[in-house]
Amino acid sequence: GDSVTQMEGPVTLSEEAFLTINCTYTATGYPSLFWYVQYPGEGLQLLLKATKADDKGSNKGFEATYRKETTSFHLEKGSVQVSDSAVYFCALSVPKTSYDKVIFGPGTSLSVIP
Amino acid sequence: ETGVTQTPRHLVMGMTNKKSLKCEQHLGHNAMYWYKQSAKKPLELMFVYSLEERVENNSVPSRFSPECPNSSHLFLHLHTLQPEDSALYLCASSPSADSISYNEQFFGPGTRLTVL
Repeated sequence: GDSVTQMEGPVTLSEEAFLTINCTYTATGYPSLFWYVQYPGEGLQLLLKATKADDKGSNKGFEATYRKETTSFHLEKGSVQVSDSAVYFCALSVPKTSYDKVIFGPGTSLSVIP
Repeated sequence: ETGVTQTPRHLVMGMTNKKSLKCEQHLGHNAMYWYKQSAKKPLELMFVYSLEERVENNSVPSRFSPECPNSSHLFLHLHTLQPEDSALYLCASSPSADSISYNEQFFGPGTRLTVL
């Protein structure tokens, strides 16, 4: 079935370090891919998305490219800040009859220290 | 208030209590969702409503009972819960299929439930 795998973490980085969080997926068809972020005490919010192969999603300095050949959607940021400390979820959407079912990965906790 | 709101934000209940969680969205979305988020486990989809009709029920125990009286409101009625039901319960909504963001989900802040 459809699934998402991502590195478990927790990941601890110093401020201004480079971030990569790996994500791979298994899906039939051509899903859309997402990164959601959850800050402490809050719900999830969409960080970026890509709807087809070779698309690059970007937001707030984060980027991810939809790689169909490697079934991957790795999240990167060149210079992390303390405010980026959160849990990051990779996800894909599977079209259903009347809605899109979103399948989430287990989440990767990121802590950025000054 | 805009976005997706959930009340209460925190709830402590005994195993014999009956309580309800409320979710409200002011985004004009057609679909609404309940998720369970437990520590060390992936997000679990519980129920989906599309245009007020339940379209998915992911083998959720009957002690959880959803209700969607209209497209803006979603409830989760709780009764005779178990301690392992303690978790963060998240509500989400998504736009209609003719929206460019139709497959994006917008989440509320969640209700932190503790069952004693």
